[in-house]
Amino acid sequence: DAGVIQSPRHEVTEMGQEVTLRCKPISGHNSLFWYRQTMMRGLELLIYFNNNVPIDDSGMPEDRFSAKMPNASFSTLKIQPSEPRDSAVYFCASIGTSGSYEQFFGPGTRLTVL
Amino acid sequence: QKEVEQDPGPLSVPEGAIVSLNCTYSNSAFQYFMWYRQYSRKGPELLMYTYSSGNKEDGRFTAQVDKSSKYISLFIRDSQPSDSATYLCAPGAQGGSEKLVFGKGTKLTVNP
Repeated sequence: DAGVIQSPRHEVTEMGQEVTLRCKPISGHNSLFWYRQTMMRGLELLIYFNNNVPIDDSGMPEDRFSAKMPNASFSTLKIQPSEPRDSAVYFCASIGTSGSYEQFFGPGTRLTVL
Repeated sequence: QKEVEQDPGPLSVPEGAIVSLNCTYSNSAFQYFMWYRQYSRKGPELLMYTYSSGNKEDGRFTAQVDKSSKYISLFIRDSQPSDSATYLCAPGAQGGSEKLVFGKGTKLTVNP
C-alpha cells in the first residue's frame, strides 16, 4: 500500500491567494483527519470525517478554511484567502478498521504564505 | 490548563543513555494513550500505545500510564542515534471518539 498521499508537498503563495491541499487516504480507511503543525502550537486537529461525513470541525480556525470529502478516496482542504499566519505544515491522516485508534499520517504539505 | 502538556525540550543525551519522556493530561475520559515518533520533515508514525493504566514494553521502549495522576511516560533504554526525533504523546478515545489530542512534542537528540 502506498500510504496516505498528500499533494502538493510544498506550496509557496502570496497573501490573498486561494490554496488547495489534497489528500488520498489509505484504501479501505473510513476516517480522515486534517491537522496543522506549527512550532508555536504543535499539531492541531482541524477537522475529521467519518465515511465522508464531517464529524468534528471545531478546530477549523475561521471561515477562510473549508474541507470536503466528496468520496472515500479523496479530500481537500481549502484556504481562501490565505494569510501569512496560515504558514504551517498540513498533515492528513486516516484510520482503518473500526475500533483501531492508530492514525496513519501522510508526508505533509509545507505551506508558506508570503 | 491545556488538555495535554508536554515539555518541548530539546533533550540531548549520549548514546546508550536511558531517556524518559513525559506528558500530563487533564481529561480523565481518555482511554488510549499513544506515542508517535516524528523524524525531521516527515509525518508522525505510531511508536506504541497503551490502553488504560499500566505498562507496555516493546523492545527498548516502555510506555507507562498512571491514570490516577494523569501522567504518561515513555522510556527508551540504550538510546541510539537513530532514536533522534520528536516524540509526541497523544491520548484519546474519550467516549469512543477517534480523536487524539497531541502534545507539542519533545525533540530528542542522541549523540554518538
